[in-house]
Amino acid sequence: SQQGEEDPQALSIQEGENATMNCSYKTSINNLQWYRQNSGRGLVHLILIRSNEREKHSGRLRVTLDTSKKSSSLLITASRAADTASYFCATAPNAGNMLTFGGGTRLMVKP
Amino acid sequence: ETGVTQSPTHLIKTRGQQVTLRCSSQSGHNTVSWYQQALGQGPQFIFQYYREEENGRGNFPPRFSGLQFPNYSSELNVNALELDDSALYLCASSIGTSGITDTQYFGPGTRLTVL
Repeated sequence: SQQGEEDPQALSIQEGENATMNCSYKTSINNLQWYRQNSGRGLVHLILIRSNEREKHSGRLRVTLDTSKKSSSLLITASRAADTASYFCATAPNAGNMLTFGGGTRLMVKP
Repeated sequence: ETGVTQSPTHLIKTRGQQVTLRCSSQSGHNTVSWYQQALGQGPQFIFQYYREEENGRGNFPPRFSGLQFPNYSSELNVNALELDDSALYLCASSIGTSGITDTQYFGPGTRLTVL
């Protein structure tokens, strides 16, 4: 079973628009990570946010974490066609080594 | 590029056969994890190895087994293949010690098809 649930499952936007993806989870976490996957290949780490952090930025990416609501969001600003991919959130528990992924958001950015 | 490689890229097997998938981690990464990703789903954690010892296991039967070697390479073995084992198998390495799972560096995956 997957702890994280991404919303929406699919998102289609125009180049230049912002894309927001949400992730909800069920149990306490040590950190939450976002990954990108192109065309069913390997995942690329985007950003890690720890449970004591509320917001993190990396280039055009902004991630927020609300541990009281057990939710996170990933914002991609000024999207490009190259951002077309699947985006996954993954949670790392306070104890144990199992990184648990959600089902992903499939983002399509139209040129 | 993450510096993590996997072989083979694609593999076709028949039900009941056995398969070995290989992964080469980044130098210095003592932890390797294996994931199974069915089509249209997120990756599911199979198990993790730290310094050649199994260090955590997901909800997978014993016919899924692994090995980690001192040269940062590792293997995933699956016995008695079933049709539902068809998936993309991903390995990921990390620097971390046994404990909290930090940033994972993924390989490109092996696509296994079981007929």
